[in-house]
Amino acid sequence: RKEVEQDPGPFNVPEGATVAFNCTYSNSASQSFFWYRQDCRKEPKLLMSVYSSGNEDGRFTAQLNRASQYISLLIRDSKLSDSATYLCVVPFSGGYNKLIFGAGTRLAVHP
Amino acid sequence: GAVVSQHPSRVICKSGTSVKIECRSLDFQATTMFWYRQFPKKSLMLMATSNEGSKATYEQGVEKDKFLINHASLTLSTLTVTSAHPEDSSFYICSALKWEGANEKLFFGSGTQLSVL
Repeated sequence: RKEVEQDPGPFNVPEGATVAFNCTYSNSASQSFFWYRQDCRKEPKLLMSVYSSGNEDGRFTAQLNRASQYISLLIRDSKLSDSATYLCVVPFSGGYNKLIFGAGTRLAVHP
Repeated sequence: GAVVSQHPSRVICKSGTSVKIECRSLDFQATTMFWYRQFPKKSLMLMATSNEGSKATYEQGVEKDKFLINHASLTLSTLTVTSAHPEDSSFYICSALKWEGANEKLFFGSGTQLSVL
């Protein structure tokens, strides 16, 4: 099993749609999780941090299921500007010293 | 917010030459920086952890003699790809750790696209 696994997509959705991505991780000891957004050939940018059961920030909601070892990202009311690749990131040893990046899920929002 | 500057953003070089990439923390001191490599449609892979004033810690499978890392000051880490070959063509990204109160935050440089002909 890969350390961090994501559905590569692409997810093609119309504006205004709700879309959800899942990410599974193998290290049951992981305590914190992150969702990053990466545009093509750009640096990743932190979208959300997840330390407990979940986190919500505007249209974005992240949820953590420790029993099943997955985290999800829900985007409501999709905008064209949400088109990007979303990276699930899990610290290997509890801190930033070794971040394991998922390969990302590509989202394309169309008019 | 904090800014990490990475240069150059794009470099094209001939096989056999060496390429230096700089990563600077512009408004904070970073004792720890990281270097990643990303191939198209693949995840970022950590290459090494750069520690100010000491030797870098390389991940398994990364050749330390090929990817030279120097972190001589609290605001600058450099990655030198020595004797570059076409298979080294990739997107290289650095990041720097910053303490904000009791929390650590990670800031990324904008990346360097290396193309070796």
